[in-house]
Amino acid sequence: QSVLTQPPSVSAAPGQKVTISCSGSTSNIGNNYVSWYQQLPGTAPKLLIYDNDRRPSGIPDRFSGSKSGTSATLGITGLQTGDEADYYCGTWSSSLSGWVFGGGTRLTVL
Amino acid sequence: EVQLVESGGGLVQPGGSLRLSCTTSGFTFSNYAMSWVRQAPGKGLEWVSTISGRVNNTYYADSVKGRFTISRDNSKTTLLLQLNSLRAEDTAIYYCAKHDTWTKDAFNVWGQGTMVTVSS
Repeated sequence: QSVLTQPPSVSAAPGQKVTISCSGSTSNIGNNYVSWYQQLPGTAPKLLIYDNDRRPSGIPDRFSGSKSGTSATLGITGLQTGDEADYYCGTWSSSLSGWVFGGGTRLTVL
Repeated sequence: EVQLVESGGGLVQPGGSLRLSCTTSGFTFSNYAMSWVRQAPGKGLEWVSTISGRVNNTYYADSVKGRFTISRDNSKTTLLLQLNSLRAEDTAIYYCAKHDTWTKDAFNVWGQGTMVTVSS
C-alpha cells in the first residue's frame, strides 16, 4: 500500500488529453513539492515535472503539473503512442523523514 | 553530461550481504544529495535511502533501517550502499538517483539500475 494514491491505469486515444491524480496528506504533498516520473518499458525512470509544475529542459510542454492542497495532477495533451509508460508521483514526507511514491499509473494510448 | 552507473548487483542467499556502487561523472558530486530507489519485479518505485551533500545526513526507509548503510566517497565521486541481512523481499532493481540539489529536491538524473536477487 503506497503512501500516495494514484489510479492504477488510464487510457485515451492519440491526440487526446489525459490527467493522472496523486493524493496524499498534509505531511507529504500538503507541505512539500511534488515531482513526476515517466518510466518507459524496460528503462529507468525519468524526471518529467519537479516543484509541482516545472518542466526540466527537454520535456515538451504537452506535459504539465499542478498541485492543490494535498493532491497533485499530471496532465498530458496531444497523446502519442510513445507516451505509453508508467507514471509515478513522488514527494518528501515530513512525518517519515523520507521520500514516498505513488503506486504508479499505467498509461495506455489506444 | 551527467552520468550515473550502478554496479555490484547479483545473486545472494538470504541473510547474505552485497555492496552496490554508483559511479558518477559530469557534475560536482559533493554538492548534491544522492539516493537509492528500488523496484521489485513488476512493482512500483520504492525509496530506499538518501544521503545529503556536504554534511552527509542519512535517511532510510523503515524496511531497510538497521540492515542497509548508505555512504559516499566524494574523492571518487561514488555513492555506495551496503546491504546486509538480505531477505527475499529485497529482490529488486536498485537505481542510483541524483537530487536537483537538496534532499527534498526531485530526482533529476537516474542510473540504469543494478539487479539484486535474494534467493537460495
